[in-house]
Amino acid sequence: AQKVTQAQTEISVVEKEDVTLDCVYETRDTTYYLFWYKQPPSGELVFLIRRNSFDEQNEISGRYSWNFQKSTSSFNFTITASQVVDSAVYFCALSDAGDTGRRALTFGSGTRLQVQP
Amino acid sequence: KAGVTQTPRYLIKTRGQQVTLSCSPISGHRSVSWYQQTPGQGLQFLFEYFSETQRNKGNFPGRFSGRQFSNSRSEMNVSTLELGDSALYLCASSLEQGVRSEAFFGQGTRLTVV
Repeated sequence: AQKVTQAQTEISVVEKEDVTLDCVYETRDTTYYLFWYKQPPSGELVFLIRRNSFDEQNEISGRYSWNFQKSTSSFNFTITASQVVDSAVYFCALSDAGDTGRRALTFGSGTRLQVQP
Repeated sequence: KAGVTQTPRYLIKTRGQQVTLSCSPISGHRSVSWYQQTPGQGLQFLFEYFSETQRNKGNFPGRFSGRQFSNSRSEMNVSTLELGDSALYLCASSLEQGVRSEAFFGQGTRLTVV
């Protein structure tokens, strides 16, 4: 069975600090996808990144970076020089491909990030 | 390009009533998925539709149903509402079914059952 654990329920930082959001996943499949979404107060889930299980390259996009380590089943997300606009709930999600790529997203419980000015 | 549109944004219903929520996907997207978000259970998958057919279903009772129209718009229906159905219902659209392509979410419909 799939499972995603985000152990950090809430993190509070001061603007310009770096912050890392942890994500640990469980799956029996060798082919799977990992995602990060951001949920601002408006409610909509904003897609940040999708990574497949065969691509362990770290990725950087502006102030965002992701560290995927299959050996520890982790897919951590770092925000560099955090800003107040980064305040939101962040979700890590997992889906294995199955036979036809039909598996739905399994979400972690989310990490609420508060960036203080 | 317009995003995913969900209507209504807010809804208050009474126990025992039924409700229909609507989702218009991004133009060209043929897959629509529905998720329920509650403080206790988090984000849970309800079902996915692709080309007017339900392709995948989560672990929810039969009171939760959905459908998809030929223009890819989707509706979900909840009958005999219970207090525990109070939640944010999120719709996601993607080009293809499953997770072969990114899912883009709407702002959700916040349902309150009283």
